[in-house]
Amino acid sequence: NAGVTQTPKFQVLKTGQSMTLQCAQDMNHEYMSWYRQDPGMGLRLIHYSVGAGITDQGEVPNGYNVSRSTTEDFPLRLLSAAPSQTSVYFCAVRGQGSMNTEAFFGQGTRLTVV
Amino acid sequence: ELKVEQNPLFLSMQEGKNYTIYCNYSTTSDRLYWYRQDPGKSLESLFVLLSNGAVKQEGRLMASLDTKARLSTLHITAAVHDLSATYFCAVVSNFGNEKLTFGTGTRLTIIP
Repeated sequence: NAGVTQTPKFQVLKTGQSMTLQCAQDMNHEYMSWYRQDPGMGLRLIHYSVGAGITDQGEVPNGYNVSRSTTEDFPLRLLSAAPSQTSVYFCAVRGQGSMNTEAFFGQGTRLTVV
Repeated sequence: ELKVEQNPLFLSMQEGKNYTIYCNYSTTSDRLYWYRQDPGKSLESLFVLLSNGAVKQEGRLMASLDTKARLSTLHITAAVHDLSATYFCAVVSNFGNEKLTFGTGTRLTIIP
């Protein structure tokens, strides 16, 4: 997927462990978002950012933290993993203005919490 | 809060037939996206619709947007097996927060 890199692709955590999912982009786009995808529920927005230094909560923010210190990176932190956070996580990147409005997705991170 | 509804949720079609997937949304928007997702894969952008009356076509897929009715359609013409996938619509509200909200998806299965 064009210019959006997510790591890791797979991760297994024990309940209570912490970890950071990484998202990096090389398109210099302003908007970055994190979604989780669960069976039958589509993609639900966790957190999003409209630029460096600016973040806001989405639909399901509890249990997750984010920061946006640079335009390129938007890491998602799980402070104390719970089985309910087992999911596939996608990072999305989108630009401003009608010419850059297409949203690009990373390859996803499949997280299992046991 | 913006709500996006797709129907049907599941669709099983015979090859060669035509069908339409519907996407309704609850607040004013003039930016609507259609994506395709294959099992275990990421989302692939199909169409971006940016104005009332916008129509875009790629192969056997055609998408349209009616902002007054708050409705987008994805029409499939003469379906082939390769079109089997889950299709999502997603909407950005006009009210400034830039959140991209997804529908729950339509799982399309094309039967030979």
